[in-house]
Amino acid sequence: DGGITQSPKYLFRKEGQNVTLSCEQNLNHDAMYWYRQDPGQGLRLIYYSQIVNDFQKGDIAEGYSVSREKKESFPLTVTSAQKNPTAFYLCASSIRPGLAGYNEQFFGPGTRLTVL
Amino acid sequence: QKEVEQDPGPLSVPEGAIVSLNCTYSNSAFQYFMWYRQYSRKGPELLMYTYSSGNKEDGRFTAQVDKSSKYISLFIRDSQPSDSATYLCAMRNNYGQNFVFGPGTRLSVLP
Repeated sequence: DGGITQSPKYLFRKEGQNVTLSCEQNLNHDAMYWYRQDPGQGLRLIYYSQIVNDFQKGDIAEGYSVSREKKESFPLTVTSAQKNPTAFYLCASSIRPGLAGYNEQFFGPGTRLTVL
Repeated sequence: QKEVEQDPGPLSVPEGAIVSLNCTYSNSAFQYFMWYRQYSRKGPELLMYTYSSGNKEDGRFTAQVDKSSKYISLFIRDSQPSDSATYLCAMRNNYGQNFVFGPGTRLSVLP
């Protein structure tokens, strides 16, 4: 079964803790993305990666960090510097960025992070 | 002004109604337009995609793009309770790296 998996589904964090959200894909896609979704605000891009060992900041990167050591994996760390981390986090992938064509993004099931 | 605007709803319709969902945008360079459906607490799934202006039909769903007005629409015919979800529009330019998403419209189809 090809697709994108995210874990955990629900995550609770205490103030001051760093937490890491997992994202894995077996679609052989080059590009991977992290979005944050808050009610009424749609999807906001946190980080994206077009190729292994390279990633770029999105619109709201402050307080987050990522790595891309393997093509299949793009974990997101929510650091204690992120002032309001409670949100629904979505990981996505697409086949090849920057090319003409639809290049649609496929999404994982999401992780809901709550700060206690 | 946001790059992509979408009425957040909620929009409630009776079963069997025709639903019209819309997005407006400001960037005339957008060429690829998509509609995603997102059920509560799930990831979005791609529903329809279109290139440039025109219509595309897939079963009960029709996507329309009017680039001159910077306006895109998704029509759902014979709406079903299972269509109750949030609908997100997304768009990008020809060689753009990333999509820009609308905030989504929440739809409820009442039996």
